[in-house]
Amino acid sequence: KQEVTQIPAALSVPEGENLVLNCSFTDSAIYNLQWFRQDPGKGLTSLLLIQSSQREQTSGRLNASLDKSSGRSTLYIAASQPGDSATYLCALGTGRRALTFGSGTRLQVQP
Amino acid sequence: EAQVTQNPRYLITVTGKKLTVTCSQNMNHEYMSWYRQDPGLGLRQIYYSMNVEVTDKGDVPEGYKVSRKEKRNFPLILESPSPNQTSLYFCASSPHQGATGELFFGEGSRLTVL
Repeated sequence: KQEVTQIPAALSVPEGENLVLNCSFTDSAIYNLQWFRQDPGKGLTSLLLIQSSQREQTSGRLNASLDKSSGRSTLYIAASQPGDSATYLCALGTGRRALTFGSGTRLQVQP
Repeated sequence: EAQVTQNPRYLITVTGKKLTVTCSQNMNHEYMSWYRQDPGLGLRQIYYSMNVEVTDKGDVPEGYKVSRKEKRNFPLILESPSPNQTSLYFCASSPHQGATGELFFGEGSRLTVL
């Protein structure tokens, strides 16, 4: 059974800092990996989707990488802003049925 | 605007009183799914649907029912709610066959069962 771990569980950084969020998984037989953002009381917003054949995806200040051999993905956020404060979740598609989610990293960017 | 809409957003009910949480998407997606989110347990799938009239159980289906009579709608039914169904519920849809593509989520429905 796929297990997804996100470390750290919480992170507080000053505005402007570059940061990396980590996601590790146990089963490398995946369709894709997605990074989501969840704001308090809100739904999940898809940030980046990396297909199994890809190594990374970029969108604005965000860059996500995927290394299936080591069972790892990272989400890099450049020049963090207070508006980036949210919980970030990674999720793996290991079949057509569903995604397996990590427990998330709660990010606070201090102004 | 492309979106997944859930109703109600907040609901407090009592044990045993049947309720339905509606989910509607306007993107013509084939795949739809329900998740619940609980502290310490993360997001877990309840039911999913690959297309109209095609539904199947996820990881935690006990106490729930679903139906998919139209492509855009995927209601979640709690026939006899119990306190352990107090949770934050999310509906999601995807344009791809199954959960192999980008997933779009509704804003969530917070349910409290007393």
